[in-house]
Parts: sequence; structure tokens; C-alpha cells
Amino acid sequence: EPEVTQTPSHQVTQMGQEVILRCVPISNHLYFYWYRQILGQKVEFLVSFYNNEISEKSEIFDDQFSVERPDGSNFTLKIRSTKLEDSAMYFCASSVFRTPAQPQHFGDGTRLSIL
Amino acid sequence: KQEVTQIPAALSVPEGENLVLNCSFTDSAIYNLQWFRQDPGKGLTSLLLIQSSQREQTSGRLNASLDKSSGRSTLYIAASQPGDSATYLCAGLNYGGSQGNLIFGKGTKLSVKP
Repeated sequence: EPEVTQTPSHQVTQMGQEVILRCVPISNHLYFYWYRQILGQKVEFLVSFYNNEISEKSEIFDDQFSVERPDGSNFTLKIRSTKLEDSAMYFCASSVFRTPAQPQHFGDGTRLSIL
Repeated sequence: KQEVTQIPAALSVPEGENLVLNCSFTDSAIYNLQWFRQDPGKGLTSLLLIQSSQREQTSGRLNASLDKSSGRSTLYIAASQPGDSATYLCAGLNYGGSQGNLIFGKGTKLSVKP
């Protein structure tokens, strides 16, 4: 069964450094998402992306964050200047359509640790 | 603003028992509700999706129901097995702006004892 693939599985970065998290959505999916889960807390929506632009973003997704689909397969999340509070598990998800009938499929996540 | 709550936070049952996990949401204007399984340190595996026009969905030993009027969903697991041990998350899809995003509960951590 097709899967959403995320790399790396674990990223350790010094505070203030830039980090790029990578995702390969399921190939025929058109809608892409990033979520994050701080340890012990709920999974939170960050941003959704369709047709090469952001469709919706949460309050968390401030100017430090950006997303890009640099080619036909990858979907990336960039954090420009990381903070300690950015430490979390980051999940990429994709769906075929935006209709309510279509589930979002999640990757295994990237654990981001900021030192 | 949509809030999703899951009770209990943790549940321990003996193998073979039937069990129910609860999920409640504050805004009945959801478009669908999705149940996920999360194993420790792993991603989210989609189990069932119930559209707002449906009342329940079944997959194997799992049955999920949705009652929009009361703001509740349940996940029923029949004949539980140790392999069912995981955290179960429910998430409601709200259409905000041009595209929906999932609002998650905190999850119920299930432990099935052999």
C-alpha cells in the first residue's frame, strides 16, 4: 500500500539553525499537510498546501516556517531559526481530494530535537 | 473553535474483552471524523473515517460511530488482543477557509494484557 515517507526520522539541531524536514506524499495525492506533536500534547495542524500554494495555516505557522514543493514528489517544511520550543514530532500528511470523504494519510514523522 | 476531548486518557483491559473508546467534540459542524492508531514513536495509522452523513463505519473488529447532534463518536474494539495496545486518536475535520484541517484529541492509551 502506498505510504507517505518522511526523512530524516530524527533531526538534532542547534538553536538558531535552519532545518528542513522532507516528505514524499503518496503519488496521486493533491493535498499536503504538516502537523506537529509536542511530547505529551495533542497533534496540532500547521499548514495545508494545494496547487503550489498554502491553502490554510494555523497561528503556530509564523514567519519562521515555510513550505515548498520543489519538484513533483517532495514536500518540505523549513524552520528558519529554530527555537527550543520547536522540539516536537513533525508529521506530513496527504490526501487525494479535499472532500470530507477522503482520509488524510500520515507519515511516520520526523522527531526534531533543538539543543 | 473546535475542541476534541477523549476519555479515558488511559485504559487497561484483559485480552478478549470488548471495549469502547470515547471522543467528544464541541462544534457539531464537522465534515467527518477520523480515528487513528499511534504506536510509540511512530506515525498515525488511519483506522476509520466517518463522514458527517454516516452514522457508523466498520473494519474488521473495529466499529466507529458518529452522533453529530450529541457531539460524540465512539470506537468499539471487539475481542481485544495484545497487538491492539497503542494510543488511539480521534480527529474532526472542520472546513476552515479553503481547505479543512484535522482537530485532534489527546488520545486514549490502550493496554491489552495477555
